Amino acid sequence: EDKVVQSPLSLVVHEGDTVTLNCSYEVTNFRSLLWYKQEKKAPTFLFMLTSSGIEKKSGRLSSILDKKELFSILNITATQTGDSAVYLCVNAGNNRKLIWGLGTSLAVNP
Amino acid sequence: EPEVTQTPSHQVTQMGQEVILRCVPISNHLYFYWYRQILGQKVEFLVSFYNNEISEKSEIFDDQFSVERPDGSNFTLKIRSTKLEDSAMYFCASSYDSEQFFGPGTRLTVL
Repeated sequence: EDKVVQSPLSLVVHEGDTVTLNCSYEVTNFRSLLWYKQEKKAPTFLFMLTSSGIEKKSGRLSSILDKKELFSILNITATQTGDSAVYLCVNAGNNRKLIWGLGTSLAVNP
Repeated sequence: EPEVTQTPSHQVTQMGQEVILRCVPISNHLYFYWYRQILGQKVEFLVSFYNNEISEKSEIFDDQFSVERPDGSNFTLKIRSTKLEDSAMYFCASSYDSEQFFGPGTRLTVL
């Protein structure tokens, strides 16, 4: 059965801390791995990863994929209160159905 | 920037009633999806739609659900006879490739 497992489920940090969110997956017909940020409503897209070892970066956020170990991490440096959200790891197979993890709930305290 | 839109933002209905949730995907996208998220739970896939037909559906998407693209721009989800457990946030998404763009969601409350 296809699955995506994220850890930790919940994290509380102080502003300025660096956090690493983990995602492991077992998916047949892997096509890509996506990270989304969900605040109050709809998930918003962060990154799409298709190749191992190539870091994707956007400001203070970065992500990398290891297709051999079936693993991805999302790093956030110098966290801000606006980073507080649920971060979702999602796997897309060839059939375009997305397999969602439960998410990591991140709270950044001032 | 193009975006997916959904209407209504919140709908309250009585158990047993039919509801239609509406979505306008991004215009050049080819694939359309519905997801739901029950409060406090993870996002669940319902159905994907391509070339005017369902390409995949989950076990949640039973006979009481249907989807339609009636006019080339709207993409609708119909729930024929709502149950209490259908209360959730329903998200529409569209994609050209793997990256799916989500609408803001419709919160459905079934009383």
